[in-house]
Amino acid sequence: GESVGLHLPTLSVQEGDNSIINCAYSNSASDYFIWYKQESGKGPQFIIDIRSNMDKRQGQRVTVLLNKTVKHLSLQIAATQPGDSAVYFCAEMGVNTGFQKLVFGTGTRLLVSP
Amino acid sequence: DADVTQTPRNRITKTGKRIMLECSQTKGHDRMYWYRQDPGLGLRLIYYSFDVKDINKGEISDGYSVSRQAQAKFSLSLESAIPNQTALYFCATSDEGKGNQPQHFGDGTRLSIL
Repeated sequence: GESVGLHLPTLSVQEGDNSIINCAYSNSASDYFIWYKQESGKGPQFIIDIRSNMDKRQGQRVTVLLNKTVKHLSLQIAATQPGDSAVYFCAEMGVNTGFQKLVFGTGTRLLVSP
Repeated sequence: DADVTQTPRNRITKTGKRIMLECSQTKGHDRMYWYRQDPGLGLRLIYYSFDVKDINKGEISDGYSVSRQAQAKFSLSLESAIPNQTALYFCATSDEGKGNQPQHFGDGTRLSIL
């Protein structure tokens, strides 16, 4: 069945370090993936997405890597800042009778120390 | 996302009460969704609507109903609230573009059923 999981529930880094958050997915038919950031008291905020015809996509200070062979997704944050502290989770879009349903992981908490 | 507004932001009520959560959006998106978020479980889809005349059940629709009053408004009702419906509720929207599109979330309603 479909599932999206995260390897590390909490990641602690120093300000200025690069952060890598990982996500495994199980549905080989998924063709669209999204990373969200959720700060306390707020809703999930879209960060970056990637389609299955790509293996890398870059945004501002963020890079998403997709490895379809091992069904693995990662989010890299360059020069992590205290404002990056939040819960990050990935979402996978799987085909389900015509409706592309998002399946969400449970999240990794990123803690950035000054 | 300030373009997706949820009201109320917090609500405490008693078992058996009827509750309505409201969502409005200024993004001009046709698609709207209701999710609930519970610790350790991630976001789960309750209902979704692709346009004003289209309403569909998600994976956990029992005990809930929705109304799509206009393109910009999608409300969620708990007909007779029970304690295990205590959760964070999020509304989301997405565009009907070519290929998959990300969902954009409001800041949620924290609902407590006593």
